Amino acid sequence: EIVMTQSPATLSLSPGERATLSCRASQSVSSSYLSWYQQKPGQAPRLLIYGASTRATGIPARFSGSGSGTDFTLTISSLQPEDFAVYYCQQDYNFPGTFGQGTKLEIK
Amino acid sequence: EVQLVQSGAEVKKPGESLKISCKGSGYSFTSYWIGWVRQMPGKGLEWMGIIYPGDSDTRYSPSFQGQVTISADKSISTAYLQWSSLKASDTAMYYCARRPPLELERGGFDYWGQGTLVTVSS
Repeated sequence: EIVMTQSPATLSLSPGERATLSCRASQSVSSSYLSWYQQKPGQAPRLLIYGASTRATGIPARFSGSGSGTDFTLTISSLQPEDFAVYYCQQDYNFPGTFGQGTKLEIK
Repeated sequence: EVQLVQSGAEVKKPGESLKISCKGSGYSFTSYWIGWVRQMPGKGLEWMGIIYPGDSDTRYSPSFQGQVTISADKSISTAYLQWSSLKASDTAMYYCARRPPLELERGGFDYWGQGTLVTVSS
């Protein structure tokens, strides 16, 4: 089973700042099978990025993904108030799929 | 419009059985995987297992193998998650979500159900 490790656990930033979230896999993952999700309190997760760098339908351009192999990054270029949430990376290159433990993005 | 609609919240006692459902609409139900994801109170997302309704190919996470059963009835576009004997530790929100078929060579859960809260308490 591939273990996904996200860092940091919590990120405290102000609106307008740039956020960089990291995700590391315990073994190489095909970029095609690396996804990022956003979850707000009381809501189901929402797909932001699939294929490591492709934005899902309706996702603003301030969200971008990059990386390959074992290291992946989610960047939010200029934080908006609605971006403060928990973010998860996930791989399903091999079943079982696995999620990272999440990064909580909070308002500073 | 793609939709996954899950069954309502459940309150059960330890040892009882339970089957929750996830009905897909707005797409070809047999052409996409349906996965189940657990979220315990205040915790992160856990990938439980996944089924391909077209041929009932089912895969489980080792953490959930033997603990739950995933099934699907393609005639009514519905996937299921069931327990034969619930424990208090099964208390969680359970989400179903759609994953593209393997031939599209990309992963991720692109549509999610609204979640089913399962509470197990004596």
